[in-house]
Amino acid sequence: DTGVSQNPRHKITKRGQNVTFRCDPISEHNRLYWYRQTLGQGPEFLTYFQNEAQLEKSRLLSDRFSAERPKGSFSTLEIQRTEQGDSAMYLCASSQYNQPQHFGDGTRLSIL
Amino acid sequence: AQSVAQPEDQVNVAEGNPLTVKCTYSVSGNPYLFWYVQYPNRGLQFLLKYITGDNLVKGSYGFEAEFNKSQTSFHLKKPSALVSDSALYFCAVRDMNQAGTALIFGKGTTLSVSS
Repeated sequence: DTGVSQNPRHKITKRGQNVTFRCDPISEHNRLYWYRQTLGQGPEFLTYFQNEAQLEKSRLLSDRFSAERPKGSFSTLEIQRTEQGDSAMYLCASSQYNQPQHFGDGTRLSIL
Repeated sequence: AQSVAQPEDQVNVAEGNPLTVKCTYSVSGNPYLFWYVQYPNRGLQFLLKYITGDNLVKGSYGFEAEFNKSQTSFHLKKPSALVSDSALYFCAVRDMNQAGTALIFGKGTTLSVSS
């Protein structure tokens, strides 16, 4: 069990730029989740995949956000035309069906 | 609407003393409850879960939690705190009667254990 891996760990970008984050889940896990965590708050759900199918999206996921899991393994989360309010920690988690979710260490996004 | 409340932003306890971190929940159906711990600049680590059955759930690192349906609570406990337990603790819930699988987290409670 190598754990959930997220890259990069930290991303600094200028407002208006596009950014992409990658998540590699635990290999046998069929479910993958993205959450966003801001300072002083708990993680907030963004979206969820079962295998390659995106089955659930939060209303927090505006049209500037898109997530993919093309082969049911790794996933990417892209934010287009970043805004100051996008600054947060983006967490990825994976699970095998309804088993507890295991989280990666996150990607911290800072918008200049 | 489903929600989780952690009424204390911070809990302070001396090493060796028992600790309790409080959590209350609100769901429309049967709850599926979790506790996670987060260390600085790290992701969340799973501690324990409640699905059904015994109201006292034992988890990792000597932690346990007590489910109380009448009080809609799921408090985290440990008989003897360690300095290394100092971290940010999150309670989370999933409504088993809903189709979604997303976890709803509380705002977190910072536990500080002094030596």
